[in-house]
Amino acid sequence: DADVTQTPRNRITKTGKRIMLECSQTKGHDRMYWYRQDPGLGLRLIYYSFDVKDINKGEISDGYSVSRQAQAKFSLSLESAIPNQTALYFCATSDARVGETQYFGPGTRLLVL
Amino acid sequence: QKEVEQNSGPLSVPEGAIASLNCTYSDRGSQSFFWYRQYSGKSPELIMFIYSNGDKEDGRFTAQLNKASQYVSLLIRDSQPSDSATYLCAVKETFGTGTKLQVIP
Repeated sequence: DADVTQTPRNRITKTGKRIMLECSQTKGHDRMYWYRQDPGLGLRLIYYSFDVKDINKGEISDGYSVSRQAQAKFSLSLESAIPNQTALYFCATSDARVGETQYFGPGTRLLVL
Repeated sequence: QKEVEQNSGPLSVPEGAIASLNCTYSDRGSQSFFWYRQYSGKSPELIMFIYSNGDKEDGRFTAQLNKASQYVSLLIRDSQPSDSATYLCAVKETFGTGTKLQVIP
């Protein structure tokens, strides 16, 4: 089984809808991250969490919210989706005890119509 | 705002040649630097990390760090068609836009 999983893998939604992207990890890492990737813009950090009680905004947090339900689970919500949130979303984890290498999930491809 | 800059490419090299990928960063206090490889439609995966000035070698890959010049590079020796991918430079959790490498057989 994959160490970092994301659900759903693909999602089509309509403008104004609320959606949630979920990330789970079995690596035992304390840190988790959400990124979006757009062509030509690379990976941009949305939110990150260093433990269950520590949530931080990244570069582009507007329009998004997160929840760290447990050490292994980190969810990203779009409260009211808009077309420019169409992107590829990645969850990642890292372990502060051994360095800052990030391990990525397979990604969720989101299309907002 | 912390920035990481890369040339988007594509960088085309013939099979067997050395590919040189470059990256500059804005935060002079940065301590940890990473190179990730991303195949089309896949997630990024770590190639190398480097924390100290100088060179770090791992197989066909060499990372070079020059903190005074705020410059990180990745050299790929004996490039193979399977190395064709986008290479992402990262300073902690800040990523560059990536350089697309094409290795021509």
